[in-house]
Amino acid sequence: NAGVTQTPKFRILKIGQSMTLQCTQDMNHNYMYWYRQDPGMGLKLIYYSVGAGITDKGEVPNGYNVSRSTTEDFPLRLELAAPSQTSVYFCASSYSKTESNQPQHFGDGTRLSIL
Amino acid sequence: LAKTTQPISMDSYEGQEVNITCSHNNIATNDYITWYQQFPSQGPRFIIQGYKTKVTNEVASLFIPADRKSSTLSLPRVSLSDTAVYYCLVVPRYSSASKIIFGSGTRLSIRP
Repeated sequence: NAGVTQTPKFRILKIGQSMTLQCTQDMNHNYMYWYRQDPGMGLKLIYYSVGAGITDKGEVPNGYNVSRSTTEDFPLRLELAAPSQTSVYFCASSYSKTESNQPQHFGDGTRLSIL
Repeated sequence: LAKTTQPISMDSYEGQEVNITCSHNNIATNDYITWYQQFPSQGPRFIIQGYKTKVTNEVASLFIPADRKSSTLSLPRVSLSDTAVYYCLVVPRYSSASKIIFGSGTRLSIRP
């Protein structure tokens, strides 16, 4: 199993550009999450989804959008890139129908720089 | 939300047992204590989870006293490869996933 796969691994954007960070998982997990991690800091939840067609905001959703059209995919969209969005972005998934405490499986991250 | 407090950093030597304590004074009845490990340039990896008393797996042990206001992650006989950041989380069993919070973690450095 590949687990959680994120693409691209690295990206440099100019201010005002847009891009989509891709995330796919092959574990048939219902829950999927997007986090950002700034240097030396912990992870902050951007958005999460409990299943196809259902998404909800996390702690820091401003400047981002998500969609969940399939169980496998959970793309994160940056519409107008700003320097404050320079960070490492992690996607994760967990198996659950009703419980929120199931272990999360993380991808290897996308390192994004906005210049 | 149950906040957690853990040391910013710890140092130890190869072969030693390392104990990282996490404080979570306002833990709720349905909350679980969960630990993740993160190596540089990688996503966090689940280590262990517990509700009360003691939980042990092939990687670590988790000790939780009766009042559940703190917990201790124990890593037996550490090696250089255990150098990583360790996150203590209090995770509700039935609640919105937005209540899952990663703090800044404990940066563990293992020396030869």
